[in-house]
Amino acid sequence: NAGVTQTPKFRVLKTGQSMTLLCAQDMNHEYMYWYRQDPGMGLRLIHYSVGEGTTAKGEVPDGYNVSRLKKQNFLLGLESAAPSQTSVYFCASRVQETQYFGPGTRLLVL
Amino acid sequence: GENVEQHPSTLSVQEGDSAVIKCTYSDSASNYFPWYKQELGKGPQLIIDIRSNVGEKKDQRIAVTLNKTAKHFSLHITETQPEDSAVYFCAASLSPAQKLVFGQGTRLTINP
Repeated sequence: NAGVTQTPKFRVLKTGQSMTLLCAQDMNHEYMYWYRQDPGMGLRLIHYSVGEGTTAKGEVPDGYNVSRLKKQNFLLGLESAAPSQTSVYFCASRVQETQYFGPGTRLLVL
Repeated sequence: GENVEQHPSTLSVQEGDSAVIKCTYSDSASNYFPWYKQELGKGPQLIIDIRSNVGEKKDQRIAVTLNKTAKHFSLHITETQPEDSAVYFCAASLSPAQKLVFGQGTRLTINP
């Protein structure tokens, strides 16, 4: 049981490039979340999903898209990366009240 | 929407002393308040939570208190140990099933 895993661990992008961050969970959780963490700002919700095939916007959704084609996977896409998207991205899945977080993806946009 | 403020942003205490981190929230309808611990290079991990029908909850050296009237809640760590050094986040939501709004985080350092 690996819990929540994220790939890649670290990535450098140039402005305008695109990429997809992958989150996978093996706990059969319905709810999954994408957060970004910036210094002094805590964790802010980007998008979330309440089940396979469903997604919804969080607090800071602009510039990101998501897909939940399979229950165990939640993908976060950046179509045209901007320096303001430099951040650490965390995925989480939830059962009852507890959210389980992945180890994070550090993204640098130059 | 909900807004959560967390203080202090950094806290340094001597090993064996107590540490207290405080959070305030804006939405009086919020009724679920978890605390997460984030160690270096890892994702946050739930350490304790409290619901609005309870004023205090303890788990060994960790306790959380809630004052609904003042809309603030606090994390108390007693007999601190080096392994308590981490970043701690408070959060609030309308219920355990709802989205969490996080505070800004507190970096706790335990000095030997």
